[in-house]
Amino acid sequence: DAGVIQSPRHEVTEMGQEVTLRCKPISGHNSLFWYRQTMMRGLELLIYFNNNVPIDDSGMPEDRFSAKMPNASFSTLKIQPSEPRDSAVYFCASRQGFRNQPQHFGDGTRLSIL
Amino acid sequence: KQEVTQIPAALSVPEGENLVLNCSFTDSAIYNLQWFRQDPGKGLTSLLLIQSSQREQTSGRLNASLDKSSGRSTLYIAASQPGDSATYLCAVRPGGGADGLTFGKGTHLIIQP
Repeated sequence: DAGVIQSPRHEVTEMGQEVTLRCKPISGHNSLFWYRQTMMRGLELLIYFNNNVPIDDSGMPEDRFSAKMPNASFSTLKIQPSEPRDSAVYFCASRQGFRNQPQHFGDGTRLSIL
Repeated sequence: KQEVTQIPAALSVPEGENLVLNCSFTDSAIYNLQWFRQDPGKGLTSLLLIQSSQREQTSGRLNASLDKSSGRSTLYIAASQPGDSATYLCAVRPGGGADGLTFGKGTHLIIQP
């Protein structure tokens, strides 16, 4: 079975540019989560979707961040404009069915904003 | 606000030792608790998931326990091997209608050959 697939694996760009991170969840999973990992703050939930609908975006740090899930097999996290403090590893995770199931994580996107 | 703490932050032991990693959380109203392993430059691999009604879960050389009322969980690794070297993360899912995981900052484990 293919796991959660994230692209790109690495992204280096200059501040002010738009950044788009992509995620393909495991087929059949109906919940999708975006997390951010930094040395200072560890892993933090940004937003999650159930059945393609955003449920809680209270973790999104600023209006510069937005996420979409146009269908069950694809989600994007966009930062516009990007800033150096957005540099982090961004993880996508998906989960099947009910809340008592484990979350499965992708390998992450390492984002560096210069 | 839920806070998850993992002690120790780092641990180095010789191969073959049994070891215990600790996780504590401030709000006992959790739905479940999950232990993950993270290798450098990689994503998180789920190791064990304990529901709030359970006391422990076992997988191979790993055993995780949960004491919800005291806000504690432990991950026991038996007969440690160099391949167990990684960062181990504990995460809790809140009770009620909320979702998503709250993570500790992890224990960085090194098993010396």
